Amino acid sequence: EPEVTQTPSHQVTQMGQEVILRCVPISNHLYFYWYRQILGQKVEFLVSFYNNEISEKSEIFDDQFSVERPDGSNFTLKIRSTKLEDSAMYFCASSEASGRETQYFGPGTRLLVL
Amino acid sequence: RKEVEQDPGPFNVPEGATVAFNCTYSNSASQSFFWYRQDCRKEPKLLMSVYSSGNEDGRFTAQLNRASQYISLLIRDSKLSDSATYLCVVAGSYIPTFGRGTSLIVHP
Repeated sequence: EPEVTQTPSHQVTQMGQEVILRCVPISNHLYFYWYRQILGQKVEFLVSFYNNEISEKSEIFDDQFSVERPDGSNFTLKIRSTKLEDSAMYFCASSEASGRETQYFGPGTRLLVL
Repeated sequence: RKEVEQDPGPFNVPEGATVAFNCTYSNSASQSFFWYRQDCRKEPKLLMSVYSSGNEDGRFTAQLNRASQYISLLIRDSKLSDSATYLCVVAGSYIPTFGRGTSLIVHP
């Protein structure tokens, strides 16, 4: 069964450093998403991506964040200058069609900012 | 009013019990509804979509009440492996909104 994969599974970084989280969505899916989940809190939408551009983004997704699809398979989330409050689990997801359709989540990257 | 509200629980039930969760949503224009399951420190996994006519998948039954803006999930004959957090997800346009989840603990 096809699945979304994410690397790394864990990332520890110093405040102010840049991090890049990587995702490989399911191959025939057209919509890609990033979510975050701070420990003990709900899953929060960050951004959706379709046709090589951002289609929707939340208030959380400020100028420190960017997304890219550098090739035909990878989908990345970059945090330019990490803050302590960026510590969370970051989930990538993909769907065949828009956000109204079923999304399939990757296993997540646990980011810890020290 | 929060966009998607769930009772956080935990619901603590014995094996074999029937348990029901509700989820209310504030956006009357919402079009798609889902229940996801999330195990501790794992990713959300789709349990079932929720259709207007209601739908059933084995021991799980989901229902949608558009007039009252809530969806429900019924689990019959609970198993130990059903212990998890159940996330209600509501999608209006293109951004799905997650509830905080309802924690279920099934004990022997």
